[in-house]
Amino acid sequence: QVQLQESGPGLVKPSETLSLTCTVSGGSISSYYWSWIRQPPGKGLEWIGYIYYSGTTNYNPSLKSRVTISVDTSKIQFSLKLSSVTAADTAVYYCARGSGNYGYWGQGTLVTVSS
Amino acid sequence: DIQMTQSPSSLSASVGDRVSITCRASQSISNYLNWYQQKPGKAPKLLIYAASSLQSGVPSRFSGSGSGTDFTLTISSLQPEDFAVYYCQQSYSTPLTFGGGTKVEIK
Repeated sequence: QVQLQESGPGLVKPSETLSLTCTVSGGSISSYYWSWIRQPPGKGLEWIGYIYYSGTTNYNPSLKSRVTISVDTSKIQFSLKLSSVTAADTAVYYCARGSGNYGYWGQGTLVTVSS
Repeated sequence: DIQMTQSPSSLSASVGDRVSITCRASQSISNYLNWYQQKPGKAPKLLIYAASSLQSGVPSRFSGSGSGTDFTLTISSLQPEDFAVYYCQQSYSTPLTFGGGTKVEIK
C-alpha cells in the first residue's frame, strides 16, 4: 500500500522560503506524477503543481513565480519550495500521487507563516 | 482557469436520506470531474473519478453523473460516516481547480 508522508518546518517567517518534503513508501516513485495541494485553515483546496518522476513540472500560474517542485528518485522523495511567503501562504500542505485525480494523499502538514 | 461552482454550500440531512450535490464548470470539461470526501483533520478521499467511476473500496451508495458542465454526486442512503465536506475537482486542464465544498451535516 502506497503511503506518503510530508515533513518540514511548521513555522516559517514572512519573506522566507517554505520547504517541504514528501517521502513515498510502499511503492515506486517512477512512472508516476507527484503533486502538492494546499488548504488554508477553514477554506478550500488549491492545486500547487506536479512533477513527473523524470523531472517535468507543471505549476499553478498563480504561484508559478515562487514555486519549485523537485524529485529525488534515489531517496523516493519529492519536494516543494515556496519563496517569499506571506501570511496568505499559511495552510495545510498535502502531497499526493497523480496529475489529475488523487487516490493517494499524505496526512498533510500545517505550515504557519508568522514572525 | 476553469471555475468550479458547487451547490449547495451546506445541507442538513438525516441518516437514510438520499442526498445530491451539484457541481458546475465554467466551461465544458467532458467527463474530467472527480469527487472527494474530507473529514475534519484528514486528507481528502477520492470517491468518484471520470465523473461516474467509483474508486476502489468506496461504497456503492455513492454515485456520480454528468458530463460537459453539469455534474452530480449522489449518496443513495446517507450513513453516519458520510457526514463530511465534499469537493468536486476538474482534471480537464491545468491549473486543476476545486469547487468550494459542500458540508453535509446531521439534521
